[in-house]
Amino acid sequence: DIQMTQSPSTLSASVGDRVTITCRASQSLVGWLAWYQQKPGKAPKLLIDKASTLESGVPSRFSGSGYATEFTLTISSLQPDDFATYFCQQYNSYPFTFGGGTKVETK
Amino acid sequence: EVQLLESGGGLVQPGGSLRLSCAASGFTFNTYAMSWVRQAPGKGLEWVSGITGSGRSTYVADSVKGRFTISRDNSNNTLYLEMNSLRAEDTALYYCAKAASTGSYYGMGVWGQGTTVTVSS
Repeated sequence: DIQMTQSPSTLSASVGDRVTITCRASQSLVGWLAWYQQKPGKAPKLLIDKASTLESGVPSRFSGSGYATEFTLTISSLQPDDFATYFCQQYNSYPFTFGGGTKVETK
Repeated sequence: EVQLLESGGGLVQPGGSLRLSCAASGFTFNTYAMSWVRQAPGKGLEWVSGITGSGRSTYVADSVKGRFTISRDNSNNTLYLEMNSLRAEDTALYYCAKAASTGSYYGMGVWGQGTTVTVSS
């Protein structure tokens, strides 16, 4: 199974900060990686698919990059609505696997 | 509007069984792969099982292999998860999710609100 290591597990930041979350895979995913945002009590929301494709309606301050085993999610200027938990997920091969999550909290 | 509505969760004793359902609407159900993902209280996301649009191919996580079975009824736009030999560690909120695209590789584009499974004596 492909292991997904996400870091950091918690990130303290302020509105306006540039935020970067990293996901590393135990083997190459090519570009088959998704990023999700989850708020308390809510279902996850797909932000980015295929490593860098922004889903419709997702603000352009979110971006994804990477290939093979290393991927990043960047929020260029953190907004109040962005305080949440973020997960990466590989779908290169079954079983699909998620990273452990990154909670973005207020500094 | 795409909607997914899970049902069937509840309290069950260890060793018991449950069948979860996910009623889908707003899209051509049989053209999209579907998945079940769970989240234990206060924990991260765990992919549980997936099925192709036709239903011909299914996949399960090692943690539930031999105990959980995914299936779908394309005539009734419904996804199922049959869960047997339930354990305390299966306690979680179970989400069904629709593939973001119709290809072989897909993120999960739409999620239901989840149904809670609690395994306890």
